[in-house]
Amino acid sequence: SAVISQKPSRDICQRGTSLTIQCQVDSQVTMMFWYRQQPGQSLTLIATANQGSEATYESGFVIDKFPISRPNLTFSTLTVSNMSPEDSSIYLCSVELGAGDTQYFGPGTRLTVL
Amino acid sequence: KNQVEQSPQSLIILEGKNCTLQCNYTVSPFSNLRWYKQDTGRGPVSLTIMTFSENTKSNGRYTATLDADTKQSSLHITASQLSDSASYICVVTVPGGNNRLAFGKGNQVVVIP
Repeated sequence: SAVISQKPSRDICQRGTSLTIQCQVDSQVTMMFWYRQQPGQSLTLIATANQGSEATYESGFVIDKFPISRPNLTFSTLTVSNMSPEDSSIYLCSVELGAGDTQYFGPGTRLTVL
Repeated sequence: KNQVEQSPQSLIILEGKNCTLQCNYTVSPFSNLRWYKQDTGRGPVSLTIMTFSENTKSNGRYTATLDADTKQSSLHITASQLSDSASYICVVTVPGGNNRLAFGKGNQVVVIP
């Protein structure tokens, strides 16, 4: 299994500002994922972050809005840029320890944009 | 488009009672099907994972079943406890290079004393 921590656990931000969310894993992993979970909705994949390469973004998500860093095999950040109230959501990171293995999720970051 | 539909959307049950949650999917083929439990304010935690050839998988009081012919899965909770109050999410893995996951919206279960 993997133990994942996220910082901050929650934040309230003003429109137009940016927030960087950190994700730390207790073991080295190749693939890390960033998800968004809007109220009452299923998890939506934002991007896949592999160490040493550019993140791969899903349809509807762009690097300018959600820049991602993956400096090593245990850490990643997701920045929510130029925030609007529509960005209010829970943001989760997850990892997969091996092909076909279950994904382990972090506790999430609850973001509220005023 | 891959879809995972769950029912009921929400459910209230008395402590000690059993309940069954349903998941219908259209993903085909798929690598595996997973059930996650998500407590309020927490990330999802894996309960069971089944390949397409498995019919049932248990984890304590949680038992998942899978019928690949009808593309249905269920999660049965036995002798519910207050701590079972959570959202239960059905997730189907789409085979491919990225092991893409298709998520249901979840079954919201509330256990009352």
